[in-house]
Amino acid sequence: ETGVTQTPRHLVMGMTNKKSLKCEQHLGHNAMYWYKQSAKKPLELMFVYSLEERVENNSVPSRFSPECPNSSHLFLHLHTLQPEDSALYLCASSQGGGVGYEQYFGPGTRLTVT
Amino acid sequence: QQQVKQSPQSLIVQKGGISIINCAYENTAFDYFPWYQQFPGKGPALLIAIRPDVSEKKEGRFTISFNKSAKQFSLHIMDSQPGDSATYFCAASNSGAGSYQLTFGKGTKLSVIP
Repeated sequence: ETGVTQTPRHLVMGMTNKKSLKCEQHLGHNAMYWYKQSAKKPLELMFVYSLEERVENNSVPSRFSPECPNSSHLFLHLHTLQPEDSALYLCASSQGGGVGYEQYFGPGTRLTVT
Repeated sequence: QQQVKQSPQSLIVQKGGISIINCAYENTAFDYFPWYQQFPGKGPALLIAIRPDVSEKKEGRFTISFNKSAKQFSLHIMDSQPGDSATYFCAASNSGAGSYQLTFGKGTKLSVIP
Protein backbone atom coordinates (compact mmCIF):
# COMPACT_ATOMS: atom_id res chain seq x y z
CA GLU A 1 0.00 0.00 0.00
CA THR A 2 1.19 3.50 -0.75
CA GLY A 3 0.06 6.98 0.20
CA VAL A 4 -3.03 7.37 2.34
CA THR A 5 -5.57 4.57 2.46
CA GLN A 6 -9.08 4.66 3.90
CA THR A 7 -11.50 1.89 4.77
CA PRO A 8 -14.24 1.26 4.12
CA ARG A 9 -14.71 3.14 0.87
CA HIS A 10 -18.49 3.10 1.23
CA LEU A 11 -20.61 2.84 4.36
CA VAL A 12 -24.35 2.88 4.89
CA MET A 13 -25.51 3.09 8.48
CA GLY A 14 -28.67 3.74 10.40
CA MET A 15 -28.96 6.55 12.89
CA THR A 16 -28.64 4.21 15.85
CA ASN A 17 -25.58 2.34 14.59
CA LYS A 18 -21.99 2.65 15.74
CA LYS A 19 -19.27 2.39 13.12
CA SER A 20 -15.67 3.46 12.65
CA LEU A 21 -13.74 4.86 9.72
CA LYS A 22 -10.09 3.93 9.41
CA CYS A 23 -7.23 5.83 7.84
CA GLU A 24 -3.64 4.68 7.40
CA GLN A 25 -0.76 6.68 5.98
CA HIS A 26 2.32 5.00 4.55
CA LEU A 27 4.32 8.21 4.07
CA GLY A 28 6.08 8.55 7.41
CA HIS A 29 4.16 11.73 8.18
CA ASN A 30 3.51 13.05 11.69
CA ALA A 31 0.25 14.95 11.23
CA MET A 32 -3.13 13.53 10.26
CA TYR A 33 -6.46 15.20 9.46
CA TRP A 34 -10.15 14.41 9.08
CA TYR A 35 -12.20 16.47 6.61
CA LYS A 36 -15.88 16.39 5.67
CA GLN A 37 -16.75 16.98 2.02
CA SER A 38 -20.40 17.71 1.21
CA ALA A 39 -21.84 18.56 -2.18
CA LYS A 40 -21.65 22.26 -3.07
CA LYS A 41 -19.90 23.11 0.20
CA PRO A 42 -16.24 23.80 0.97
CA LEU A 43 -14.15 21.06 2.52
CA GLU A 44 -14.55 21.32 6.27
CA LEU A 45 -11.65 20.50 8.57
CA MET A 46 -12.89 18.40 11.48
CA PHE A 47 -9.85 17.28 13.46
CA VAL A 48 -6.06 17.47 13.29
CA TYR A 49 -3.57 15.31 15.13
CA SER A 50 0.09 16.20 15.30
CA LEU A 51 2.48 13.70 16.89
CA GLU A 52 -0.62 11.83 18.07
CA GLU A 53 -1.99 14.81 19.98
CA ARG A 54 -5.18 16.56 18.89
CA VAL A 55 -4.31 20.11 17.90
CA GLU A 56 -7.48 21.19 16.09
CA ASN A 57 -11.11 20.43 16.83
CA ASN A 58 -13.43 22.56 14.78
CA SER A 59 -16.61 22.49 16.84
CA VAL A 60 -17.51 19.06 15.60
CA PRO A 61 -20.54 17.38 17.24
CA SER A 62 -19.68 14.79 19.86
CA ARG A 63 -21.26 12.04 17.76
CA PHE A 64 -17.95 12.13 15.87
CA SER A 65 -15.06 10.87 17.99
CA PRO A 66 -11.49 10.73 16.61
CA GLU A 67 -8.72 8.46 17.77
CA CYS A 68 -5.05 8.50 16.81
CA PRO A 69 -3.26 5.50 18.38
CA ASN A 70 0.00 6.19 16.51
CA SER A 71 1.33 8.47 13.80
CA SER A 72 0.30 6.09 11.01
CA HIS A 73 -3.31 5.43 11.98
CA LEU A 74 -6.35 7.61 12.48
CA PHE A 75 -9.89 6.55 13.26
CA LEU A 76 -13.21 8.35 13.26
CA HIS A 77 -15.78 6.68 15.51
CA LEU A 78 -19.38 7.39 14.58
CA HIS A 79 -22.50 6.99 16.69
CA THR A 80 -26.10 8.19 16.55
CA LEU A 81 -25.47 10.09 13.35
CA GLN A 82 -28.02 12.25 11.55
CA PRO A 83 -28.94 12.15 7.83
CA GLU A 84 -27.16 15.49 7.33
CA ASP A 85 -23.93 13.74 8.28
CA SER A 86 -24.03 11.90 4.96
CA ALA A 87 -20.92 13.04 3.09
CA LEU A 88 -17.49 12.03 1.86
CA TYR A 89 -15.06 11.82 4.76
CA LEU A 90 -11.48 12.45 3.76
CA CYS A 91 -8.35 11.68 5.69
CA ALA A 92 -5.08 13.49 4.99
CA SER A 93 -1.55 13.50 6.34
CA SER A 94 1.43 15.83 6.20
CA GLN A 95 5.06 15.91 7.24
CA GLY A 96 4.91 18.71 9.75
CA GLY A 97 1.94 20.89 10.25
CA GLY A 98 0.68 24.28 9.24
CA VAL A 99 1.26 26.40 6.19
CA GLY A 100 3.45 25.10 3.43
CA TYR A 101 3.32 21.45 4.48
CA GLU A 102 1.53 19.64 1.69
CA GLN A 103 -1.42 17.57 2.80
CA TYR A 104 -1.80 14.22 1.05
CA PHE A 105 -5.40 13.04 0.90
CA GLY A 106 -6.85 9.56 0.87
CA PRO A 107 -9.70 8.57 -1.48
CA GLY A 108 -12.35 9.07 1.18
CA THR A 109 -15.19 7.08 2.71
CA ARG A 110 -18.62 7.77 1.23
CA LEU A 111 -20.99 7.70 4.22
CA THR A 112 -24.74 7.48 3.89
CA VAL A 113 -26.87 7.79 7.01
CA THR A 114 -30.37 6.39 6.65
CA GLN B 1 -19.40 33.40 6.54
CA GLN B 2 -17.51 31.97 3.62
CA GLN B 3 -13.98 33.32 3.66
CA VAL B 4 -12.94 32.10 0.20
CA LYS B 5 -15.37 32.60 -2.67
CA GLN B 6 -14.73 30.56 -5.80
CA SER B 7 -16.23 30.96 -9.26
CA PRO B 8 -17.51 29.64 -11.53
CA GLN B 9 -19.18 26.61 -10.01
CA SER B 10 -18.77 24.73 -13.29
CA LEU B 11 -16.83 25.36 -16.46
CA ILE B 12 -16.84 23.78 -19.90
CA VAL B 13 -13.83 24.42 -22.13
CA GLN B 14 -12.86 23.04 -25.49
CA LYS B 15 -9.63 21.10 -25.85
CA GLY B 16 -6.76 23.50 -26.37
CA GLY B 17 -8.57 26.39 -24.76
CA ILE B 18 -7.75 28.32 -21.57
CA SER B 19 -9.57 27.46 -18.35
CA ILE B 20 -9.79 30.25 -15.78
CA ILE B 21 -11.02 29.81 -12.21
CA ASN B 22 -11.23 32.73 -9.81
CA CYS B 23 -11.10 33.02 -6.05
CA ALA B 24 -11.55 35.95 -3.70
CA TYR B 25 -10.74 36.05 -0.03
CA GLU B 26 -11.63 38.32 2.86
CA ASN B 27 -9.04 37.62 5.54
CA THR B 28 -6.01 39.85 4.88
CA ALA B 29 -3.93 37.64 7.18
CA PHE B 30 -3.99 34.80 4.64
CA ASP B 31 -0.53 34.29 3.19
CA TYR B 32 -0.57 30.90 1.50
CA PHE B 33 -2.82 30.05 -1.42
CA PRO B 34 -2.83 26.48 -2.77
CA TRP B 35 -4.94 24.96 -5.51
CA TYR B 36 -6.11 21.36 -5.31
CA GLN B 37 -7.28 19.06 -8.09
CA GLN B 38 -9.75 16.25 -7.39
CA PHE B 39 -10.72 13.46 -9.77
CA PRO B 40 -13.86 11.37 -9.17
CA GLY B 41 -13.26 8.69 -6.56
CA LYS B 42 -10.01 10.30 -5.42
CA GLY B 43 -9.03 12.71 -2.72
CA PRO B 44 -7.82 16.23 -3.57
CA ALA B 45 -4.18 16.57 -4.61
CA LEU B 46 -2.04 19.70 -4.40
CA LEU B 47 -1.61 21.19 -7.86
CA ILE B 48 0.23 24.47 -7.33
CA ALA B 49 0.54 27.06 -4.55
CA ILE B 50 1.60 30.70 -4.21
CA ARG B 51 2.59 33.12 -1.48
CA PRO B 52 1.68 36.83 -1.75
CA ASP B 53 5.25 38.03 -2.28
CA VAL B 54 4.91 37.14 -5.98
CA SER B 55 2.15 38.03 -8.43
CA GLU B 56 2.41 34.94 -10.60
CA LYS B 57 3.63 31.37 -10.42
CA LYS B 58 3.80 28.99 -13.35
CA GLU B 59 4.22 25.23 -13.40
CA GLY B 60 3.86 23.71 -16.82
CA ARG B 61 0.41 24.54 -18.19
CA PHE B 62 -0.84 25.75 -14.79
CA THR B 63 -0.42 29.37 -13.65
CA ILE B 64 -1.59 31.15 -10.52
CA SER B 65 -2.12 34.90 -10.79
CA PHE B 66 -2.31 36.78 -7.50
CA ASN B 67 -3.65 40.29 -6.88
CA LYS B 68 -3.00 41.23 -3.27
CA SER B 69 -4.73 44.62 -3.37
CA ALA B 70 -7.90 43.10 -4.80
CA LYS B 71 -7.62 40.04 -2.54
CA GLN B 72 -8.08 37.79 -5.53
CA PHE B 73 -6.20 34.92 -7.10
CA SER B 74 -6.90 32.77 -10.10
CA LEU B 75 -5.84 29.53 -11.75
CA HIS B 76 -5.20 29.48 -15.48
CA ILE B 77 -4.91 26.18 -17.32
CA MET B 78 -3.36 26.70 -20.73
CA ASP B 79 -3.96 24.28 -23.62
CA SER B 80 -6.64 22.50 -21.58
CA GLN B 81 -6.85 18.75 -22.13
CA PRO B 82 -9.65 16.22 -21.50
CA GLY B 83 -7.42 14.73 -18.78
CA ASP B 84 -7.70 18.05 -16.91
CA SER B 85 -11.41 17.39 -16.36
CA ALA B 86 -11.73 17.39 -12.57
CA THR B 87 -12.93 19.54 -9.69
CA TYR B 88 -10.56 22.31 -8.66
CA PHE B 89 -10.47 23.87 -5.21
CA CYS B 90 -8.72 27.03 -4.15
CA ALA B 91 -7.70 27.41 -0.54
CA ALA B 92 -6.05 29.88 1.78
CA SER B 93 -4.22 29.76 5.07
CA ASN B 94 -2.54 32.01 7.62
CA SER B 95 0.95 30.97 8.63
CA GLY B 96 1.08 33.60 11.34
CA ALA B 97 -1.60 31.83 13.32
CA GLY B 98 0.45 28.63 13.30
CA SER B 99 -2.70 26.98 12.15
CA TYR B 100 -3.22 23.71 10.35
CA GLN B 101 -6.43 25.14 8.94
CA LEU B 102 -6.92 25.50 5.20
CA THR B 103 -10.02 27.47 4.21
CA PHE B 104 -11.35 26.03 0.96
CA GLY B 105 -13.56 27.42 -1.78
CA LYS B 106 -16.60 25.44 -2.86
CA GLY B 107 -14.90 24.03 -5.95
CA THR B 108 -15.19 24.33 -9.72
CA LYS B 109 -16.06 21.35 -11.86
CA LEU B 110 -14.09 21.62 -15.08
CA SER B 111 -15.05 19.66 -18.16
CA VAL B 112 -12.74 19.79 -21.16
CA ILE B 113 -14.47 18.57 -24.29
CA PRO B 114 -12.57 17.16 -27.27
